[in-house]
Amino acid sequence: NAGVMQNPRHLVRRRGQEARLRCSPMKGHSHVYWYRQLPEEGLKFMVYLQKENIIDESGMPKERFSAEFPKEGPSILRIQQVVRGDSAAYFCASSPPSGASTEAFFGQGTRLTVV
Amino acid sequence: GQSLEQPSEVTAVEGAIVQINCTYQTSGFYGLSWYQQHDGGAPTFLSYNALDGLEETGRFSSFLSRSDSYGYLLLQELQMKDSASYFCAANSGYSTLTFGKGTMLLVSP
Repeated sequence: NAGVMQNPRHLVRRRGQEARLRCSPMKGHSHVYWYRQLPEEGLKFMVYLQKENIIDESGMPKERFSAEFPKEGPSILRIQQVVRGDSAAYFCASSPPSGASTEAFFGQGTRLTVV
Repeated sequence: GQSLEQPSEVTAVEGAIVQINCTYQTSGFYGLSWYQQHDGGAPTFLSYNALDGLEETGRFSSFLSRSDSYGYLLLQELQMKDSASYFCAANSGYSTLTFGKGTMLLVSP
């Protein structure tokens, strides 16, 4: 049973380009969460999604950032017109349907570097 | 808002016991989780406390006091491989987590 899969593991983008980060949750998990981690910092919640629904995006910057979890395929975190401050590790986590578990399973992360 | 405070670094020797404290100020608090992260890799779940008291899982135990907004992670019989960052995180409902800044544990021989 594969864990949470994120790709790419490393992504380099020039300022102004778009970054697309992908996350496939664990089998049987319908909840996906995105977190951002800066060096020497904890993980900061960005967005919580279920299939075709954004449940909580209170941690998402209002501009340039968007997330989706389509009916088919992985969840995508999209950052448009990237800036140097977007450089960070972006982690995806998944969990079973509500009430089944409080444990979140994390992927290995995507390290975004904006040059 | 929500905030969790934990020490930035703790050092200990192999075989020792170490306690990492966490105080929190949150709204909509459901429980306190602990995660381990090695070298910036995937955080892995260690424990979860929804109720007051001690939860034991092998060498690791976790404690919660809701009235004091306080919890701790206790690591016993420390091993070199336990050197990592440890994060407390507040659960708000489902599995949305608010993380502390992490405690780096350095275990020396």
